Amino acid sequence: EIVLTQSPGTLSLSPGERATLSCRASQSVTSNNLAWYQQKLGQAPRLLIYGASSRATGIPDRFSGSGSGTDFTLIISRLEPEDFAVYFCHQYGDSLFSFGPGTKVDIK
Amino acid sequence: QVQLVQSGAEVKKPGSSVKVSCKASGGTFSNFVISWVRQAPGQGLEWMGGIIPMFDTTKYAQNFQDRVTITADESTGTGYMELSSLTFEDTAVYYCARPRYFDWPPEDWGQGTLVTVSS
Repeated sequence: EIVLTQSPGTLSLSPGERATLSCRASQSVTSNNLAWYQQKLGQAPRLLIYGASSRATGIPDRFSGSGSGTDFTLIISRLEPEDFAVYFCHQYGDSLFSFGPGTKVDIK
Repeated sequence: QVQLVQSGAEVKKPGSSVKVSCKASGGTFSNFVISWVRQAPGQGLEWMGGIIPMFDTTKYAQNFQDRVTITADESTGTGYMELSSLTFEDTAVYYCARPRYFDWPPEDWGQGTLVTVSS
């Protein structure tokens, strides 16, 4: 079972700033089947990125994903007020899926 | 677009079991993996397991392998997750989720079902 770790645990930034979130896997993620989700309080997760770097339908281009193998990154180029939330990475390449513990992006 | 509609909140005693349902409205499960994910209060997402209804194949996370049973009725488009031997630590919101395309991660999520374990 692949274990995902995310860093930092919390990122305190101001609107307009750039956010860089990291996700590391305990072993290589098959076919780079790595996704990123955004979750706000009381809501289900929202898919942002799939296949490590492809944006899901309707996701603004300020969100970008990169990486391969065991190291992946989500970048939010200019934070908008609605982007302050918790972000989870998720691997769906292994037969057993898993989520990372999350990174909270809060307002500085 | 398929909507996933889950059963309502439950309150259970320690040691008992709970069964949560997830119905696909406006479509079917097709040959996609239906995942079950839980989230304890203030905690992260935890993948519990999944099923491909068309093939009736299941897979379970190691943490839940002995206590969870995931099933699906393809004819009614309904999935089920049963968790046994409940403890207070099982208090969480339980979600079902499915991708929109083959080999995609989950994109459609149910509204979540709060399961509270209380004596």
